[in-house]
Amino acid sequence: GAVVSQHPSWVICKSGTSVKIECRSLDFQATTMFWYRQFPKQSLMLMATSNEGSKATYEQGVEKDKFLINHASLTLSTLTVTSAHPEDSSFYICRVYQNTEAFFGQGTRLTVV
Amino acid sequence: GNSVTQMEGPVTLSEEAFLTINCTYTATGYPSLFWYVQYPGEGLQLLLKATKADDKGSNKGFEATYRKETTSFHLEKGSVQVSDSAVYFCALTSRNTGNQFYFGTGTSLTVIP
Repeated sequence: GAVVSQHPSWVICKSGTSVKIECRSLDFQATTMFWYRQFPKQSLMLMATSNEGSKATYEQGVEKDKFLINHASLTLSTLTVTSAHPEDSSFYICRVYQNTEAFFGQGTRLTVV
Repeated sequence: GNSVTQMEGPVTLSEEAFLTINCTYTATGYPSLFWYVQYPGEGLQLLLKATKADDKGSNKGFEATYRKETTSFHLEKGSVQVSDSAVYFCALTSRNTGNQFYFGTGTSLTVIP
């Protein structure tokens, strides 16, 4: 199956700064990638669908100006959390889709202090 | 619509005990069903899947059978190990959902020696 690499695995940043999370599809070209947020002991919440070469599609209630998504190539999508605040602390996971299966990155633990 | 209902956790079992985690679904069309496992601090990994009614998915001693008549996909393992401690997610996708996956809330399993 597809191999998805997410970086960094964890990051601590100061409140007010921005953090970029990368999601790479290592062995196939992904025209679409998905970004999820997971709160402790909860399921995954779909934040947005990242489309190569076009704007991302955000789920209702997700601030597009706060969570900037760029899908500049078929193997890379980035999620930038802008002006991060402690409430943005969470586990962020990306996903790709291949042959009716989902393949996930390792996740990024973001802590905003 | 599409949804997945999963057994509430957490579940705590002794090593070598029998495991069942219930999962039922609602879907339009003919979904594919999945179980994903998430180890602490990591992303989700595919554990097993079934793509049509009466199929049985199996992996690492885990099994789940796609039951269309009861709209269920319960996860079972005859003898759990400490290393099985993780969070388990039931999920579905179908041609009607495009690339979207629908996840259950997750069931945390802790196996004690």
